[in-house]
Amino acid sequence: EAQVTQNPRYLITVTGKKLTVTCSQNMNHEYMSWYRQDPGLGLRQIYYSMNVEVTDKGDVPEGYKVSRKEKRNFPLILESPSPNQTSLYFCASSSNRDPRNTQYFGPGTRLTVL
Amino acid sequence: AQSVTQLGSHVSVSEGALVLLRCNYSSSVPPYLFWYVQYPNQGLQLLLKYTSAATLVKGINGFEAEFKKSETSFHLTKPSAHMSDAAEYFCAAFLGAGSYQLTFGKGTKLSVIP
Repeated sequence: EAQVTQNPRYLITVTGKKLTVTCSQNMNHEYMSWYRQDPGLGLRQIYYSMNVEVTDKGDVPEGYKVSRKEKRNFPLILESPSPNQTSLYFCASSSNRDPRNTQYFGPGTRLTVL
Repeated sequence: AQSVTQLGSHVSVSEGALVLLRCNYSSSVPPYLFWYVQYPNQGLQLLLKYTSAATLVKGINGFEAEFKKSETSFHLTKPSAHMSDAAEYFCAAFLGAGSYQLTFGKGTKLSVIP
């Protein structure tokens, strides 16, 4: 089944404790992206990647890092999480022919930083 | 600034009534436009998309949207609301020439009254 998976689905952590949220897709997509969703703000793009070893900042990259060492994986790293990073995070991927095609979203990761 | 604006954070309709969710965009070039739906505690699912072909786009679950360049709008409609349509709806767009950054509106929560 074609899908985008994220782990963990739920995470409660404390300020300053480094964490990684994994994202993996099995559709051979080149484009992958991370978003955060906050009430009243919709979804905002954090980082995106056009291909392996190619990443770009989105609208809200501060406090986040990403890496794209393999085509299928695009982990999101919070090196020193803070309470304002409490949010619902989505990973997405889309066709390698044109990234402006449909993006397929993962199920989301709900992160709480205490 | 290039943006996506959804008018109305909450919309209530009676079952069987017309659904109209509004989306306007600001872009220097014709954008790629999307409507996504998010059911409670789920990820985002594509309803429909506009990519410069037909201006009237039909999507899943009986939804459609019309691209109106003169009004910079891409409103989502459904002739007859069903209880199962209750969800949050997001308009999104790739704005600007060669943009690979997806910009979302803030979302409209649709309630369907029996």
